[in-house]
Amino acid sequence: GQNIDQPTEMTATEGAIVQINCTYQTSGFNGLFWYQQHAGEAPTFLSYNVLDGLEEKGRFSSFLSRSKGYSYLLLKELQMKDSASYLCAVSWAAGNKLTFGGGTRVLVKP
Amino acid sequence: DAGITQSPRHKVTETGTPVTLRCHQTENHRYMYWYRQDPGHGLRLIHYSYGVKDTDKGEVSDGYSVSRSKTEDFLLTLESATSSQTSVYFCAISGETEAFFGQGTRLTVV
Repeated sequence: GQNIDQPTEMTATEGAIVQINCTYQTSGFNGLFWYQQHAGEAPTFLSYNVLDGLEEKGRFSSFLSRSKGYSYLLLKELQMKDSASYLCAVSWAAGNKLTFGGGTRVLVKP
Repeated sequence: DAGITQSPRHKVTETGTPVTLRCHQTENHRYMYWYRQDPGHGLRLIHYSYGVKDTDKGEVSDGYSVSRSKTEDFLLTLESATSSQTSVYFCAISGETEAFFGQGTRLTVV
């Protein structure tokens, strides 16, 4: 089975940094995805981590520790348009089963 | 954007009728998924496929069936629609290091 946890909501100020944590318990771990989803829209792919460490992509970075079952998404220089839900998803098992956490709603305030 | 298309985008159907949703990809990805998204529940996996004619159940598969007769198409069928199946349905495709979503299908069962 699998269990994926992330905070429900976070609030941050424009220009600041926010870190969204995701913890997981799963068997047959393949990798971990992060997505952004604006209200009423489809999720959009942000990052994929398979090895331990930090992956940086512009203002967004994602970190993975497989031994701790832990990942975080770091959003720097926050902009109003970053207000959205951020979804953590784990790929696991031989068939690349993809299971999502409940999502973290981030509100960016001026 | 990844080549993934869902049809229809919106559908209203009556309780007890069968409904089929289609997901079509042009990326030749091996893995395809069907999710539903409801307020308070996040994205929940219905069924997924790891190859032509290779499918498996997700966490909320009751009342749904799928078929994948060719790489590019993954069909989701509601055998006999119920009001509890009113939801937004997303299809996703995945390669080894990325996964993308379709635009979603908003299904209302009345």
